[in-house]
Amino acid sequence: QVQLQESGPGLVKPSETLSLTCTVSGDSISGYYWSWIRQTPGKGLEWIGHVHYTGRTKYNPSLRSRITISLDTSKSQFSLRVSSLTAADTALYYCARGLNADEFDFWGQGTLVSVSS
Amino acid sequence: DIQMTQSPSTLSASVGDRVTITCRASQSIGTWLAWYQQKPGKAPKLLIYKALTSQSGVPSRFSGSGSGTEFTLTISSLQPDDFATYYCQQYSTYSIFGQGTRLEIK
Repeated sequence: QVQLQESGPGLVKPSETLSLTCTVSGDSISGYYWSWIRQTPGKGLEWIGHVHYTGRTKYNPSLRSRITISLDTSKSQFSLRVSSLTAADTALYYCARGLNADEFDFWGQGTLVSVSS
Repeated sequence: DIQMTQSPSTLSASVGDRVTITCRASQSIGTWLAWYQQKPGKAPKLLIYKALTSQSGVPSRFSGSGSGTEFTLTISSLQPDDFATYYCQQYSTYSIFGQGTRLEIK
């Protein structure tokens, strides 16, 4: 059974950079897309971006200038960096596996990130 | 940007009812549409992709239909486990989710 687990800080300061990692177990990174998605009560579910197992990335245009998603196949991990944080980036962050492209069949449990001084 | 509009926002129904949730796209997305179920404190669960293909392990009472700009998720006979929030997602361009439909017990 595929499992994904997010890790990273729960609290970060405004203007700083958030770094999250998703560790994949139970299957290979190869052949799939790997996404980050966040959820807030106000905006609902928001796709952040994905990295293909080949390393190709695609980002949400509204976040593109602040986002980097990368892949470490040797560790079965992929990572998210979000720069220039504001309170609006406070959210529950999920990592997920995408079939074909963005059909998210496996998700992590989510990690809550608060942006506050 | 493509806008996704789900209706209704809230739906009250009883066990055994047939229910339909609608998702409309502001422009044609072909069949690049998925449906998810989310329960409180849990990640969303993929039910349907490519508008009408059921994900492995999903009960047959869930079905999807539609193409272009109008899509539906139908639950043929509601079970107690089905009361949850449902989201559509288009992935024709980049992924955009609908605002959700909360299915509650009448």
